[in-house]
Amino acid sequence: EAGVAQSPRYKIIEKRQSVAFWCNPISGHATLYWYQQILGQGPKLLIQFQNNGVVDDSQLPKDRFSAERLKGVDSTLKIQPAKLEDSAVYLCASRLQGANSPLHFGNGTRLTVT
Amino acid sequence: DQQVKQNSPSLSVQEGRISILNCDYTNSMFDYFLWYKKYPAEGPTFLISISSIKDKNEDGRFTVFLNKSAKHLSLHIVPSQPGDSAVYFCAANTNNNDMRFGAGTRLTVKP
Repeated sequence: EAGVAQSPRYKIIEKRQSVAFWCNPISGHATLYWYQQILGQGPKLLIQFQNNGVVDDSQLPKDRFSAERLKGVDSTLKIQPAKLEDSAVYLCASRLQGANSPLHFGNGTRLTVT
Repeated sequence: DQQVKQNSPSLSVQEGRISILNCDYTNSMFDYFLWYKKYPAEGPTFLISISSIKDKNEDGRFTVFLNKSAKHLSLHIVPSQPGDSAVYFCAANTNNNDMRFGAGTRLTVKP
């Protein structure tokens, strides 16, 4: 079984620029998550999709962050414009529909904003 | 919003001894708990989980204990091996599939 794929692995941008991350979840996984992990902290949920619908985006800074999962498979997360404090690892995860199953994570995209 | 807390940022143990990692939570709606292991430059990988209807789950060298009255979770690794050196995250899930993570504990197992 192929795992969760994310690209790019690394990205360096200047503040006020825009950036996009891509995620391809495990085949058949209906639920997809984007997490932000700042150095020394645990992953923080940004947005949760169920198929192509948003379940929870309460912690997404909507003035600069956006995410979509148009066909219920791949997802993109965008930041525009980026701030210095957005420097973090952005993790995508997926799980089978239903509770009591683990999330499967990709290797993440490390974003550095200078 | 610190609903899941890991108060020990680091732990060092000798190879062959027991490693005990602790986690506390505040939300009584959490009904599923997990431990993840993370190596540098990789995403977290699932290690072991426990449902709120149980108080213990064992998988090889790894055992997770749940004390619901104390809202406390622990992971025991016996015997510890150098390859277990990693950051361990505690996570908890509500019935709307919203999973929250602790800040992590860095485990170092010395040969």
